[in-house]
Amino acid sequence: QKEVEQNSGPLSVPEGAIASLNCTYSDRGSQSFFWYRQYSGKSPELIMFIYSNGDKEDGRFTAQLNKASQYVSLLIRDSQPSDSATYLCAVKINDYKLSFGAGTTVTVRA
Amino acid sequence: SAVISQKPSRDICQRGTSLTIQCQVDSQVTMMFWYRQQPGQSLTLIATANQGSEATYESGFVIDKFPISRPNLTFSTLTVSNMSPEDSSIYLCSASGRGGPVGEQYFGPGTRLTVT
Repeated sequence: QKEVEQNSGPLSVPEGAIASLNCTYSDRGSQSFFWYRQYSGKSPELIMFIYSNGDKEDGRFTAQLNKASQYVSLLIRDSQPSDSATYLCAVKINDYKLSFGAGTTVTVRA
Repeated sequence: SAVISQKPSRDICQRGTSLTIQCQVDSQVTMMFWYRQQPGQSLTLIATANQGSEATYESGFVIDKFPISRPNLTFSTLTVSNMSPEDSSIYLCSASGRGGPVGEQYFGPGTRLTVT
């Protein structure tokens, strides 16, 4: 079983809609969870991190964490064409290393 | 967040040669890491660069192939040795200002390596 699994894409959403990205992880002891956005040809950019169960909102982005279900998600509200990118879920293991999911590619249709 | 630069941004190298990639952070950081990202793939951790001691390598990566230096808290190098076409990839440096569960990692712009 992979440490971090993301829903396979690509995910295509119309402009203005909500994009929902899901991620599950295998290590029940994991405490920190991160979402990175990676545009084609660019390096990953940290957009959200969450440590506690529940929701965390930052602008149009909402991260949701459910440690009992070992599940973390990212919602992008009012999706814009500029949100078209690959989104990487990462889970911190051993207090310093990150394990990355395979990524979900999102395309926002104008 | 830390600002991270890498040099070179890209290079084309012949097989059998070596390339050293430099990573510079604009502030002192606790942890520095080197990743590889092959085309269409996610990130794979190569090693953790430890200041003042030998790097900690992940399974499948060895020091002879990927020697790493970290002479201080803001700088690290990764050398890709005796290159083959399979080493063609993007190499990314990342840094974290703090360890523990709450330390976020930020990435440099990457070095795109092509081995012919």
